[in-house]
Amino acid sequence: DAKTTQPPSMDCAEGRAANLPCNHSTISGNEYVYWYRQIHSQGPQYIIHGLKNNETNEMASLIITEDRKSSTLILPHATLRDTAVYYCIVRLAGGTSYGKLTFGQGTILTVHP
Amino acid sequence: DVKVTQSSRYLVKRTGEKVFLECVQDMDHENMFWYRQDPGLGLRLIYFSYDVKMKEKGDIPEGYSVSREKKERFSLILESASTNQTSMYLCASSSLRDKIEQFFGPGTRLTVL
Repeated sequence: DAKTTQPPSMDCAEGRAANLPCNHSTISGNEYVYWYRQIHSQGPQYIIHGLKNNETNEMASLIITEDRKSSTLILPHATLRDTAVYYCIVRLAGGTSYGKLTFGQGTILTVHP
Repeated sequence: DVKVTQSSRYLVKRTGEKVFLECVQDMDHENMFWYRQDPGLGLRLIYFSYDVKMKEKGDIPEGYSVSREKKERFSLILESASTNQTSMYLCASSSLRDKIEQFFGPGTRLTVL
């Protein structure tokens, strides 16, 4: 699975958009980009995933560059409850991986009042 | 509401003890995973299982074994606990058909004295 690079920490004001970047320059054509987050003292939680098109769900939007070497997770109106560690993960969708996830260090997002 | 539950939130054991960590999911998922999480090292996969009685080593299986006798239950076993196994242990499950999202339990914080 391709390696990802994320900034170690970011700050955001409550109510503003939080834009979390991720670099995955060695991504291959059949690898998806996944985002999870982990709120303190809880297990990680799935947010969104995508292959090459931009995706949006009730939690966030995912913007993937045309060359797929980087992506941005957007929380459109951050709240204090969005303070968490955000993980960008790249992996194959199929094959024999059985859905294994390889977590990096992630980005600590702190939302301020 | 889908759920992954773990037998204990906090556990304290002594060096050399045999430790069982239990995980149960109610989503009829085929895949189940055990991770450990340590500061600065992120989440690391210990073992996973894609079917009853089937298991595969993850990235750090040494010192651990697993058991999957029933589809809904996946146990992590520390045959002889050591202090370097003090960690947060997270269980997760996912569907074989839809490998996108892993559902995580709340975690067990194990301290080995």
